[in-house]
Amino acid sequence: AQSVAQPEDQVNVAEGNPLTVKCTYSVSGNPYLFWYVQYPNRGLQFLLKYITGDNLVKGSYGFEAEFNKSQTSFHLKKPSALVSDSALYFCAVRDKSGGSYIPTFGRGTSLIVHP
Amino acid sequence: EAGVTQFPSHSVIEKGQTVTLRCDPISGHDNLYWYRRVMGKEIKFLLHFVKESKQDESGMPNNRFLAERTGGTYSTLKVQPAELEDSGVYFCASSQEWAAYNEQFFGPGTRLTVL
Repeated sequence: AQSVAQPEDQVNVAEGNPLTVKCTYSVSGNPYLFWYVQYPNRGLQFLLKYITGDNLVKGSYGFEAEFNKSQTSFHLKKPSALVSDSALYFCAVRDKSGGSYIPTFGRGTSLIVHP
Repeated sequence: EAGVTQFPSHSVIEKGQTVTLRCDPISGHDNLYWYRRVMGKEIKFLLHFVKESKQDESGMPNNRFLAERTGGTYSTLKVQPAELEDSGVYFCASSQEWAAYNEQFFGPGTRLTVL
C-alpha cells in the first residue's frame, strides 16, 4: 500500500523568507512523487514531480523539492516566499513497482505568507 | 487550451435528494478521474475512465454513486440518494496518457453540501 503524510496542517512564513512544506511517503517499491497547489476557487495545479535521476527537482513559480530516499521525504521548498504563494499544497505518491497507478494524496498543507 | 471544467461549482441539497455533477475534461484527454475531498482530509480517488469505459472504480463508496461517460467526452457523477457523509469537494481530473509518472489536470471542483 502507498501513503503520504503532510504533518503540518498550516505553515506560516513571512514574505521574503524561505519556506518548506513537508511531505513523507510510504511505498513498497520506488516512488513517483508529485506536488500540486490549489489556489482559492481553482483546481489543483501541477507544480513538479520526481520520476528518477537528480534528487533536486525544480518546478513552477520558483518551487523546488528534494527527494530523500533514506528519509522517505519529498519536501517542497522555495528560497523566498511571496504573498501570492499562499495556497493549499498537496503532495502525492505513486508506486513505480506496480499496484495501483492511481496517486495517493496527502491531506494538504495550507501555506500562509504574511506581508 | 481550455482546462477541465466542472458544474456546478456549489450544490446544497437535503438528505435523500439526488445530485448530478458534471465534468468536461480537456479536449483529447482519454483519461478522466473523479476524486473527493472531505473537509481537512486527503483527496480520495473514486474512479477512472479510459474513454467511455470504467477502468477502475475501486474508490466508489457505495452503490448510491453512479458515474457515466457516454461517448467518452464529458462525465457525470450522480449521487442518489444523498447522505450527510457525502458532503465534500468533488474533483475531476484528466490526462492524455495513462502512465503512473504523468501529472493530472484538475478542475476547480464541485462543493457538495448535504443537509
